[in-house]
Amino acid sequence: QVQLVQSGAEVKKPGASVMVPCRTSGYTFTTYYVHWVRQAPGQGLEWMGAIDPSGGSTYSAQKFQDKITMSRDTSTSTIYMELSSLRSEDTAVYYCVRADYGGSGRYWGQGTLVIVSS
Amino acid sequence: DIQMTQSPSTLSASVGDRVTITCRASQSINGWLAWYQQKPGKAPKLLIYKASSLESGVPSRFSGSGSGTEFTLTISSLQPDDFATYYCQHYNTYPYTFGQGTKLEIK
Repeated sequence: QVQLVQSGAEVKKPGASVMVPCRTSGYTFTTYYVHWVRQAPGQGLEWMGAIDPSGGSTYSAQKFQDKITMSRDTSTSTIYMELSSLRSEDTAVYYCVRADYGGSGRYWGQGTLVIVSS
Repeated sequence: DIQMTQSPSTLSASVGDRVTITCRASQSINGWLAWYQQKPGKAPKLLIYKASSLESGVPSRFSGSGSGTEFTLTISSLQPDDFATYYCQHYNTYPYTFGQGTKLEIK
């Protein structure tokens, strides 16, 4: 079955970077785009960006363009999202999402909580 | 960027009620709209894609409709398991923005 498995919680200091892996299985890795969505505590969902695992092309919201780096490792079917220059406002649960049906989020990882605190 | 506006922000209803949530896009999204259900501490769950297509395994009491810029999610007869937060999302062009969410509460 399709699975997207994310790593456990991370605590980072302001100004640091965090890399969140998303290990996929149960399907052909290069066939489906993977998106990143975050949710700050008590807030709504925020689309961050997407990666085409086939060629590695990435697309991100303008808000994150200087901050987010998405990459993939085809040998392990893993997607990575790195967020730099962390601020307290980046404290959130980060989800990786496989996009189906033209782009809707059919399969979600369990989420990775990133806490930014001094 | 396309803005998505959901209404209402909060909805109080009873088991058995028929409820409708509206999502309005700032420009046409060609039907590329999804609806999600999220419960506390859980990842969102896809309910509807392409505005009106029901995701496999989702109860038929959920339905989606709309076109152009105006879309609705309807739950025909609320069940206890349906009390959650609902989000719309367009996926017409990047960035794929979400609505701000509708919290469905028990009256």
